[in-house]
Amino acid sequence: EVQLLESGGGLVQPGGSLRLSCAGSGFTFSNNAMSWVRQAPGKGLEWVSGISTSGGSTYYADSVKGRFTISRDNSKNTLYLQMTSLSAEDTAVYYCASTSLVGYFEYWGQGTLVTVSS
Amino acid sequence: DIVMTQSPDSLAVSLGERATINCKSSQSLLYGSNNKNYLAWFQQKAGQPPKLLIYWASTRESGVPDRFSGSGSGTDFTLTISSLQAEDVAVYFCQQYFTTFSWTFGQGTKVEIK
Repeated sequence: EVQLLESGGGLVQPGGSLRLSCAGSGFTFSNNAMSWVRQAPGKGLEWVSGISTSGGSTYYADSVKGRFTISRDNSKNTLYLQMTSLSAEDTAVYYCASTSLVGYFEYWGQGTLVTVSS
Repeated sequence: DIVMTQSPDSLAVSLGERATINCKSSQSLLYGSNNKNYLAWFQQKAGQPPKLLIYWASTRESGVPDRFSGSGSGTDFTLTISSLQAEDVAVYFCQQYFTTFSWTFGQGTKVEIK
């Protein structure tokens, strides 16, 4: 059974930083591109960032470019999202999702809540 | 970015009746070289992550009941639930994957029981 387990969310002050992790199991992690998708409270879904299977290529939505950094450690089957210069607009549940070769999201974690507030 | 617009924002359907959700993209999602539409549908129940229902606009994911079907091509797509069940109460999202690593979602359609 495919499992994606996010961690690292919490309450952070505006301007602060946070690092999210996503541990994968039940599938060949290194064979899958991975993404972070977020959902603000009561709102829709927003793709945030993606990374290729090797980690050599990374991609970001304009809303987070220059502030967030995605990475992965295939030896640990783990995906990361380093978030800096956080603002209230970044408050959301952050999901990690395995990404098919062509770009739809096959499996999703349960999500981790990031709240940016003073 | 490709803008995805769903309609309606919400709908209430009686049990056993048909539910129809529309999704319109700001540009064609049909890739000429393989004649495939780069469009997926997701279901999100309250307090849960999204779940993949359909990809390539009309291909059901394994395990998805056949009352769910997707149709359409180019810029106009439809998700149909042929006979609404209580467990289908959820928010449904469309997603385009035509532009690699620049994916966008529709705003969501909430389906409730009338």
